[in-house]
Amino acid sequence: DAKTTQPPSMDCAEGRAANLPCNHSTISGNEYVYWYRQIHSQGPQYIIHGLKNNETNEMASLIITEDRKSSTLILPHATLRDTAVYYCIVKPGNTPLVFGKGTRLSVIA
Amino acid sequence: NAGVTQTPKFRILKIGQSMTLQCAQDMNHNYMYWYRQDPGMGLKLIYYSVGAGITDKGEVPNGYNVSRSTTEDFPLRLELAAPSQTSVYFCASSYSRQGDTEAFFGQGTRLTVV
Repeated sequence: DAKTTQPPSMDCAEGRAANLPCNHSTISGNEYVYWYRQIHSQGPQYIIHGLKNNETNEMASLIITEDRKSSTLILPHATLRDTAVYYCIVKPGNTPLVFGKGTRLSVIA
Repeated sequence: NAGVTQTPKFRILKIGQSMTLQCAQDMNHNYMYWYRQDPGMGLKLIYYSVGAGITDKGEVPNGYNVSRSTTEDFPLRLELAAPSQTSVYFCASSYSRQGDTEAFFGQGTRLTVV
């Protein structure tokens, strides 16, 4: 059973904000929202995670709706190097990551 | 601090051959994982370990074996290679703090079975 739903692909102009949506309508109270990305064929890279509150770090911002049924990953100023597959994962802490198909983000010059 | 190191980076196996994919981490992480990724697909969990001497099956464990004798190493064994095991294999590790398990991934081993 897929716990998250993401669009298969998105485009974003270089320098603009990239907003990647994720639907997780069946999320449980003890489950976190994690975002990872995979650039080309490299190993996935952690971006950010959150439980209830919005989070921000040097890479991105994570906006979680009040009902926690959806979230948005925001890359504030997308560059060509942000072209990657982005995975939204919902899980309790201390359990393995289970990957879906993610969203392929293409940043266009 | 090398992070997660996987060897080899590439390997071609003949059907029926055996091999061990090596994974080592130097971050003193207690959790380690093995994933495989087929072309155009997301990663699938093969096995994972929460500490030395403890392993557990993931989504696709058939055809693989693992062991965890030390905190640092988590080798993945293929006993009788089959073409269906052609894939890219990723090892990862994390530290088990409640709700804060950022995982670090290796660069992958690209395996072809012919």
